[in-house]
Amino acid sequence: QSALTQPPSASGSPGQSVTISCTGTSSDVGGYNYVSWYQQHPGKGPKVMIYEVSKRPSGVPDRFSGSKSGNTASLTVSGLQVEDEADYFCSSYAGSNSWVFGGGTKVTVL
Amino acid sequence: QVQLQESGPGLVKPSETLSLTCTVSGDSISGYYWIWVRQPAGKGLEWIGRMYSSGTPNYNPSLKSRVTMSVDTSKNQFSLNLTSVTAADTAVYYCARRRSLAWYFDLWGRGTLVTVSS
Repeated sequence: QSALTQPPSASGSPGQSVTISCTGTSSDVGGYNYVSWYQQHPGKGPKVMIYEVSKRPSGVPDRFSGSKSGNTASLTVSGLQVEDEADYFCSSYAGSNSWVFGGGTKVTVL
Repeated sequence: QVQLQESGPGLVKPSETLSLTCTVSGDSISGYYWIWVRQPAGKGLEWIGRMYSSGTPNYNPSLKSRVTMSVDTSKNQFSLNLTSVTAADTAVYYCARRRSLAWYFDLWGRGTLVTVSS
């Protein structure tokens, strides 16, 4: 199982948008609509922000949105806020009761 | 409030067994899937394996020969054993929960750093 590929970093000014990509294969991202995105602040456990490609759990601001095209999923954070500065990583179901994760992207709010 | 807390030795010697426990508070461990994930410093997360509160676990093929997971419903804990560790097993280890019929992990621990060194 190979890790999903994410850019190591992304940044934007407050109010701007930032999009993070997550590239896998047809055996994971491309094969299932079970991509999820997690936010992690330093010293904290991860928090799910998006599940099943584009669904938001209760309590997650609608500034967070997800999409997928082929083997690549994306997370967009619109209207960046200071508190959005964190690490973000993606995950996908990979069949046979297994999951694969991305390398993580550090989002900086300039 | 449901919480997960990883615990175990922070330092393990090479060739020995890494043993971690995840304690679930605020809810029953029964009826959910539980996973272990790890993250070496500066690297991405690696799925180690998952198991239901009862039943057969599934492990990452790359670790399968060294991993054992178990659930103790009486203690509301699930555990990870990783044998024959090397420096490559040094990482922050996380436990997390997945609800049945949900394809994501809705609850995570804060993680615990395990260093493999003599």
